[in-house]
Amino acid sequence: GENVEQHPSTLSVQEGDSAVIKCTYSDSASNYFPWYKQELGKGPQLIIDIRSNVGEKKDQRIAVTLNKTAKHFSLHITETQPEDSAVYFCAAIYGFGNEKLTFGTGTRLTIIP
Amino acid sequence: NAGVMQNPRHLVRRRGQEARLRCSPMKGHSHVYWYRQLPEEGLKFMVYLQKENIIDESGMPKERFSAEFPKEGPSILRIQQVVRGDSAAYFCASSPGTGGGRRTQHFGDGTRLSIL
Repeated sequence: GENVEQHPSTLSVQEGDSAVIKCTYSDSASNYFPWYKQELGKGPQLIIDIRSNVGEKKDQRIAVTLNKTAKHFSLHITETQPEDSAVYFCAAIYGFGNEKLTFGTGTRLTIIP
Repeated sequence: NAGVMQNPRHLVRRRGQEARLRCSPMKGHSHVYWYRQLPEEGLKFMVYLQKENIIDESGMPKERFSAEFPKEGPSILRIQQVVRGDSAAYFCASSPGTGGGRRTQHFGDGTRLSIL
């Protein structure tokens, strides 16, 4: 089955700086890669996603890049703000007709004011 | 447009009792997924359902766990004869199943199950 690894497990950045979180996946047939933000006591909230036929996607301060050859994808947050502090999860779906998300182990992001 | 609704938010059970967790998907969504999250860990897939059908239950423990999504009403995750190891946060997600965002899963805020 699919396996997703996520690094780093914790990340602290100064407010205004950029944060980068990286994930690798094992199965080359994976074709959908969402990123979720989870705040304490809440469910995961989708912040951006990318499909395997696209190399990069951007939404305001958030961007995701995908390298299918290397089987890794990254989340980039620019101009970080205190409200960006949360746990971030990457995930992957393998193939079509299989809709279960395989999650990474999460990155706890702390923005230092 | 209400999001995915889960209840109860917190559930306490004694060992050996039954736990029933409910999930109402977003309006217009016909696909429901259940995931389990242990403390300080990522979410693990349990089961994927459409109305009246279990599509993929490869993540469900073989015993004591069952799920349903009836024609009318919410999806139910049922855990019989609970044990301490069942303590976790259980999250439900839903997706439209059709259209451009058909694969996008939206999550509820979960049910935190504690076993005494």
